[in-house]
Amino acid sequence: AQRVTQPEKLLSVFKGAPVELKCNYSYSGSPELFWYVQYSRQRLQLLLRHISRESIKGFTADLNKGETSFHLKKPFAQEEDSAMYYCALIKPNAGKSTFGDGTTLTVKP
Amino acid sequence: EAGVTQFPSHSVIEKGQTVTLRCDPISGHDNLYWYRRVMGKEIKFLLHFVKESKQDESGMPNNRFLAERTGGTYSTLKVQPAELEDSGVYFCASSQDFTEAFFGQGTRLTVV
Repeated sequence: AQRVTQPEKLLSVFKGAPVELKCNYSYSGSPELFWYVQYSRQRLQLLLRHISRESIKGFTADLNKGETSFHLKKPFAQEEDSAMYYCALIKPNAGKSTFGDGTTLTVKP
Repeated sequence: EAGVTQFPSHSVIEKGQTVTLRCDPISGHDNLYWYRRVMGKEIKFLLHFVKESKQDESGMPNNRFLAERTGGTYSTLKVQPAELEDSGVYFCASSQDFTEAFFGQGTRLTVV
């Protein structure tokens, strides 16, 4: 069975500092990996997905199949990045997502 | 375009009562999912509809939970009778294909 692990429940950084939210997964095939974000009082929304290889709001995430990781990075954190971040995995052609526990990121001024 | 809508946003019920949650997906999305986040834990999959059919209901915790999707449009999730451990946030999501899912704002259920 697939599993997603986010080892940090809470992460706090100062504005302008680099930030990395860790995500490891276990799945025997080639999954699709996503990062979702939930800002205060807003709905869960897609931040980025590994297949698009894009940078959203300054965030990037690289799929490392050797380490089975999909860490989310941003070189200079902003206060508006404070939110709950979820890493998720989808089996190809399955649809349902397997989520990690989530990491609450706080960016201090 | 309207997003995924869930109703109610909050519900407080007593143990043993029945509660029905509703989800209106994005128009044209065949795939509809229910997830649940229990306090402090991860978002867990409950079930997946493709149009009106249950594609995967492996995450449904027990037979107190019943999900329906009438005519392949909106979906309801009924909990009967509710227990204390059913408290949490219930999310609905819809997608056009098997990738990006669009989430509703969630229904916070509190069973007292």
